[in-house]
Amino acid sequence: AQSVSQHNHHVILSEAASLELGCNYSYGGTVNLFWYVQYPGQHLQLLLKYFSGDPLVKGIKGFEAEFIKSKFSFNLRKPSVQWSDTAEYFCAELGDHYGGSQGNLIFGKGTKLSVKP
Amino acid sequence: KAGVTQTPRYLIKTRGQQVTLSCSPISGHRSVSWYQQTPGQGLQFLFEYFSETQRNKGNFPGRFSGRQFSNSRSEMNVSTLELGDSALYLCASSGAGTLGDTIYFGEGSWLTVV
Repeated sequence: AQSVSQHNHHVILSEAASLELGCNYSYGGTVNLFWYVQYPGQHLQLLLKYFSGDPLVKGIKGFEAEFIKSKFSFNLRKPSVQWSDTAEYFCAELGDHYGGSQGNLIFGKGTKLSVKP
Repeated sequence: KAGVTQTPRYLIKTRGQQVTLSCSPISGHRSVSWYQQTPGQGLQFLFEYFSETQRNKGNFPGRFSGRQFSNSRSEMNVSTLELGDSALYLCASSGAGTLGDTIYFGEGSWLTVV
């Protein structure tokens, strides 16, 4: 069965530090990958997605992710974090397309990011 | 435009009861998916509906069911509630159900089973 692994449960950084959150997926076929963010008390929001093309994907709020097929990885990065980036981050992969479905997201367990001002 | 709207936001039910949760997708969206979020299992896919038809389902028992109406609004039902059903239930919608569509999430319905 497909699975997504996120390496870190909780990351604590100071403002202006660089961020890299690890994500590994298991599916070896055509991959569709996502990073979502959940700010405290808010709903999940899409940061970025990768379907094909340039493996370096740029998203909102200065985030980017790099798809490395040989490593089954899709790590999220940001060069300089801000206190407002405090949130929980979820990596996800699109599951099977049974019946044309594209709503079956397989999520990692999430990484909580705390940014100290 | 309005986002994905879920009702009720919070509810408490007793073991053995049933519950119905409602989701209104973004206007024009035809695909609606449901997810269960718990501290232990994280976010897990329940099922997806598109044009009133269940298009895909996750690995949940038959006590979990759903439906979609002609206006794309969706409901999910959990019968014979168990304590382990306590969770945040998230609804997500996307446009034409085409690969590459952005999937938008609602704020969720918090269900507590006592």
